[in-house]
Parts: sequence; C-alpha cells; structure tokens
Amino acid sequence: AQSVTQLDSHVSVSEGTPVLLRCNYSSSYSPSLFWYVQHPNKGLQLLLKYTSAATLVKGINGFEAEFKKSETSFHLTKPSAHMSDAAEYFCVVSDGWGSSSASKIIFGSGTRLSIRP
Amino acid sequence: DTAVSQTPKYLVTQMGNDKSIKCEQNLGHDTMYWYKQDSKKFLKIMFSYNNKELIINETVPNRFSPKSPDKAHLNLHINSLELGDSAVYFCASSQDGTRGPLSTDTQYFGPGTRLTVL
Repeated sequence: AQSVTQLDSHVSVSEGTPVLLRCNYSSSYSPSLFWYVQHPNKGLQLLLKYTSAATLVKGINGFEAEFKKSETSFHLTKPSAHMSDAAEYFCVVSDGWGSSSASKIIFGSGTRLSIRP
Repeated sequence: DTAVSQTPKYLVTQMGNDKSIKCEQNLGHDTMYWYKQDSKKFLKIMFSYNNKELIINETVPNRFSPKSPDKAHLNLHINSLELGDSAVYFCASSQDGTRGPLSTDTQYFGPGTRLTVL
C-alpha cells in the first residue's frame, strides 16, 4: 500500500530565505511523485514531478525537489522565498495506474507556507 | 481559455436537497476526476472516469453519482445532501496512455466548487 506524509502542517519563513517542505512516501512499486501548489481560493497547480528520470527535478517558480529512494523522501526546496509563494503545498504519490483497482493516487495532508516580510 | 472549468463556483443549499456540479475540460484529455477537499484541506479522490468509463470509485456514499456524457464532461450529482457534504469539490483531468491513466500523468484542476449545506 502506498502513503505519503508531509511532516509539517505549517512552515513560516522570511522573504528571501530558503524554503524546505518535507515529504516522505511509501510505495510498493516505483512511484511517481508530484508537488502541487494551491493558492487561496484556487485550484491546484503542478509545481514539478518525478517520473523515474533524473532524481533532481526542477519545477516552476524556482522550486525543485530531490527524489531519494534510500530515504523515501521527496522534499521541496527553493533557495529564496518570495511573498507570492505563500500557499498550500501538496505532495502526491501515484503508482500502478492502468487498472480498475482502488485509488492509486494519494495526496499528503498539505503544508501551509507563510512568508514573513 | 479555461482548461478545466466547474459550475457553480459556490453552492449553498439546505439539507436533504439534490444538487449537481458540472465540470468540463477543453484539453482533449481522456481521464477526469472528482476530489473532495474538507475544511482541513485534506484532499481525497472520489471518482475517476476514463473515456466515459468509471475506473475509480472510492468509498463514497451512493448518494453521490457521477455522470460522464462524453469524455470532456464529468458531472457530479448529489442526492439528499447532508451537513458532512460541505466541502470544496475539485474536478481534474489528465492525458493518458493507450490503456488508461498513467501514474506519471499530470492532473489539471478546476477552480473548485464550494458546497455549503445548511
């Protein structure tokens, strides 16, 4: 069975400082991993995804994430936070699609990122 | 142009009523989804359709009935609404492989429908 754990429900950083949002997963197969961002009162938007190619994945808005199989982690980072980064971030694990069995996509519980001026 | 659209954006209704939420995607995708996001932001998949065929049906009360008239539309009908149904409902779509959704697929989300049951 697969699962995903976002270790922090809320992260607050100062503008211009680094961002680290943590995500750990478990999966029976070789998973795909995603980070989505949700700005207030908006739908979710893909930031980046890992699909068994390069383990360091670069996304939009300067975000990147590194897939570490030995640590079963997929943490999201950004070198310098911007006020517009304030949002909810979701880590997602997906595997074994293509069948009619129960859901193969699991969302983490989300991490709210706040940016202090 | 809006890629995934939902109507209505807000829905306020009384307990016991029946309501529908509509979703349309103009991306040419094969698979569409409905998610429920509760007040704590927890997101859970409810249904998924691939080319009008139901492929995921999570443990959702049978008061919820999805309908896909064509692969660009996936509507959600809810009978006998209850207080616990209050949530934000998101529609999403993804482009798939020849045999259904792929785990690598990116999902494109609609803006959400905030349902409030009084």
